Amino acid sequence: DAGVTQSPTHLIKTRGQQVTLRCSPKSGHDTVSWYQQALGQGPQFIFQYYEEEERQRGNFPDRFSGHQFPNYSSELNVNALLLGDSALYLCASRYRDYEQYFGPGTRLTVT
Amino acid sequence: EDQVTQSPEALRLQEGESSSLNCSYTVSGLRGLFWYRQDPGKGPEFLFTLYSAGEEKEKERLKATLTKKESFLHITAPKPEDSATYLCAVHPFNFGNEKLTFGTGTRLTIIP
Repeated sequence: DAGVTQSPTHLIKTRGQQVTLRCSPKSGHDTVSWYQQALGQGPQFIFQYYEEEERQRGNFPDRFSGHQFPNYSSELNVNALLLGDSALYLCASRYRDYEQYFGPGTRLTVT
Repeated sequence: EDQVTQSPEALRLQEGESSSLNCSYTVSGLRGLFWYRQDPGKGPEFLFTLYSAGEEKEKERLKATLTKKESFLHITAPKPEDSATYLCAVHPFNFGNEKLTFGTGTRLTIIP
């Protein structure tokens, strides 16, 4: 049973560019959350998707947007990249009110 | 605002030397408290969920406990492979609030 998968593993972008990160949830999971983790910090909640709609959003600007597809996979899009967007981006999935399982993350570096 | 504070920030132990990690939290009603293990550059790995004060869970050398204000992760006779950052997170009880609030973690190093 595959766990949560994310792609790509690493990404290097230039300030001002746009990036799309992808996530496939664990089999049987229907809810996907995205988190940003800066070096030495705990993950910070970006938003959560359920039934293809954004259910809740954290304190992140509108440059951060997302999407969930009918197969429950999800994308995170970040526009107009800033140096401060450099971080590990984590996707987590769960089924209903059970534990969240995290993927391996995508390391984004903005230069 | 939900808050999670973990201590110590870093802990170095000799192999076999038992200790405890602390997670203090402030939340308006707790739906669940989670412990995760994270290796460098990797995603957090789920360890435990605790739901109510007095609850305890064990897995190999790890035991998690919960009170109304804090949780402890006890590690007994640790091995070098237990070296990692241990993260604590709370899930509040408010309807519609789905986010986990994390602490900054305790970086544990086990010296052979």
